[in-house]
Amino acid sequence: TQLLEQSPQFLSIQEGENLTVYCNSSSVFSSLQWYRQEPGEGPVLLVTVVTGGEVKKLKRLTFQFGDARKDSSLHITAAQPGDTGLYLCAGGDTNAGKSTFGDGTTLTVKP
Amino acid sequence: DAGVTQSPTHLIKTRGQQVTLRCSPISGHKSVSWYQQVLGQGPQFIFQYYEKEERGRGNFPDRFSARQFPNYSSELNVNALLLGDSALYLCASSLLGGTGELFFGEGSRLTVL
Repeated sequence: TQLLEQSPQFLSIQEGENLTVYCNSSSVFSSLQWYRQEPGEGPVLLVTVVTGGEVKKLKRLTFQFGDARKDSSLHITAAQPGDTGLYLCAGGDTNAGKSTFGDGTTLTVKP
Repeated sequence: DAGVTQSPTHLIKTRGQQVTLRCSPISGHKSVSWYQQVLGQGPQFIFQYYEKEERGRGNFPDRFSARQFPNYSSELNVNALLLGDSALYLCASSLLGGTGELFFGEGSRLTVL
C-alpha cells in the first residue's frame, strides 16, 4: 500500500513569513500533485511534478520533487492570508483517476 | 467551460437509508473518480470509471456502488447508511493516460444521523 505522509499537520504563521511543508513516501510515484482545499470546497490542483529533481514555481509558491521521486516539498515565500487552506499532496497513477492522498497540512496565515 | 458539477451539495440521511450522489465531469473528460473525505483526513479513493467501465475500486464495502452513463456523468450509491459514512464525497474528472491530475467538484456533504 502506497502511503504519503505530510508534515507538519498544522502550521500557523504571520503574514510575510516563509514556510515549507513536506510530503514523503516510501514508494516511487510516476507523478505527484499538490492541491489546495478551502473549507467546504473540493481540492484545486496547483501543480504536477513528474521528473526527479524537478522544481516548479507558481508565483510565490515553489514546488520540488525529490531525486528519487518519493518526496516533495512546497515552499511559500512571504505568505499572505489568502494562502490559508489545506495543502494536499497526491501520488498520481499513470492510468489517471486514482490518486493516493496524504492527510494534508492545514496552513493558517494571520494578518 | 463548466467545471465538475456535483449534486446535491448537502444532504442529511438517517441510518439504514440509501443515498445517490451525482456528478458531471468537465467536457471532454471521460474518466470520473469518487473520493470520500472524512474531516481531518485526505480524500480516500472509492471508484474510478472510464467509458462506463469500472477501472478501479478502493477499500470500501459492497454497500458502495457506482456507475457511469454514456454522457460520462456518474452516480455514486451508498446503501444501508452508517454514521461513519458521514463525509464529503468528492467527484473528480480526468483524462485517462494523463499524469494523474484530478479536477474536483465542490463535493456533496453527507450527514448521517
